[in-house]
Amino acid sequence: NAGVMQNPRHLVRRRGQEARLRCSPMKGHSHVYWYRQLPEEGLKFMVYLQKENIIDESGMPKERFSAEFPKEGPSILRIQQVVRGDSAAYFCASSQAPGTSRYYEQYFGPGTRLTVT
Amino acid sequence: AQSVTQLDSHVSVSEGTPVLLRCNYSSSYSPSLFWYVQHPNKGLQLLLKYTSAATLVKGINGFEAEFKKSETSFHLTKPSAHMSDAAEYFCVVSVYGGSQGNLIFGKGTKLSVKP
Repeated sequence: NAGVMQNPRHLVRRRGQEARLRCSPMKGHSHVYWYRQLPEEGLKFMVYLQKENIIDESGMPKERFSAEFPKEGPSILRIQQVVRGDSAAYFCASSQAPGTSRYYEQYFGPGTRLTVT
Repeated sequence: AQSVTQLDSHVSVSEGTPVLLRCNYSSSYSPSLFWYVQHPNKGLQLLLKYTSAATLVKGINGFEAEFKKSETSFHLTKPSAHMSDAAEYFCVVSVYGGSQGNLIFGKGTKLSVKP
């Protein structure tokens, strides 16, 4: 029973390049969340998606960041023209759909550590 | 607005002694509260959750937490620390109370366990 999968685990990009982070939710989960963890900080919510729909993107920076969760395939967090300040650990979580008893329980992946040089 | 305050950034205990990690919350709704643990370079694991059922919540690895509405607290405890408990612990509140939504994390408490 595979948990939440994220890849790559480590990603190095030069300033100005694009970063793509992938997240495959747990089997049976239809909701995905992205969080960012800066050094010495807790996780900060970025975006909440279900398949083909963004439910809440109130934590996403207005520029350069986007997220999708297509009908088929993993959820993608995309960062265009990366800057040094984007260096962080990015965590994905997934949960079941509304109406189930474990609706509120989010299961986290191992994270992608992005380093911008 | 919801928020979480973890009162200690670092706690150090000796193996076999009790653990207390403190957390206070602020919420306009009836909150859902969680404790997550993060071992170095690993993802987060849910330790336990409170969702308006019993106020004393038991979690994995011998941890438990008590929801105290009058004190707006949700402190994490364990009677006897083990070396493997050394990790960072996050107190978390759910934005939408008992239903779905994004999570608000405290800044974390690093637990060190001395032999």
